[in-house]
Amino acid sequence: GAGVSQTPSNKVTEKGKYVELRCDPISGHTALYWYRQSLGQGPEFLIYFQGTGAADDSGLPNDRFFAVRPEGSVSTLKIQRTERGDSAVYLCASSLRAGFSSYEQYFGPGTRLTVT
Amino acid sequence: AQTVTQSQPEMSVQEAETVTLSCTYDTSESDYYLFWYKQPPSRQMILVIRQEAYKQQNATENRFSVNFQKAAKSFSLKISDSQLGDAAMYFCAYRSARNAGNMLTFGGGTRLMVKP
Repeated sequence: GAGVSQTPSNKVTEKGKYVELRCDPISGHTALYWYRQSLGQGPEFLIYFQGTGAADDSGLPNDRFFAVRPEGSVSTLKIQRTERGDSAVYLCASSLRAGFSSYEQYFGPGTRLTVT
Repeated sequence: AQTVTQSQPEMSVQEAETVTLSCTYDTSESDYYLFWYKQPPSRQMILVIRQEAYKQQNATENRFSVNFQKAAKSFSLKISDSQLGDAAMYFCAYRSARNAGNMLTFGGGTRLMVKP
C-alpha cells in the first residue's frame, strides 16, 4: 500500500505568517509522530498522537506550534507567527500503534519549510 | 534524558570496500532499541537495521551489520562491499522500550560518500 505522504513538499512563507503542514499516515496506523530536522542536524521529536489525542507534545518548542488529528488519520501541524528559526524539514512518521511495542516507524518525505 | 552522539560528521569509502560508522548513546535504562536510518537526498528516512538491547547477538541485514557493545553504550554500523547507492546521511537512533510513546532520539548524523 501507499506510504506516509506529506504536503506540501516545500513551503516558502514570510516571517509572521501562518502555515499548515499535512501528514497522511499509512492506512490503519494509529500512532503518528512529528519530528523537526534543522539543517545539518538529526530529527527532533515534536509530538505524537495515539488515535485522535495528542499523547505527548513535550517536544513542541513553544505555543506557536500546534497539531491536530481530528479523525485519527490525517494530521496537520500548525505554526503561527512563523519565525526564521522555524525553517527546517518537518518529518512525519506513523506506526501500527504506540505503547510498549516494537512497531517500526515509517517516515514520510518531509516538508521543507523556509521562512523568509 | 537519553542522548545519541555520532562523532563522525563525514566519512568516505571506496566502492566495494568496507566502512564503519560510529555511534554512542547515554541512557540509564536497560531495555531499549537502537536503529540505523539512511536518509538520501529525497529526505525520506529508511530503516537500515535495528537492535534490541536484550539480544546479545549483533543484528545483520545483508551487507549491513552492527557491533553492539551494551556496557560501553556503543552501536556502530558496518557496511560491507559499499555501493554508490549507499551514499547518504546515516542517523543512529534510540528508542526506549518503556516509554509509551516510542519516540525516537536521533544523533546528529554522518554523511557517507562513496567513491567510484
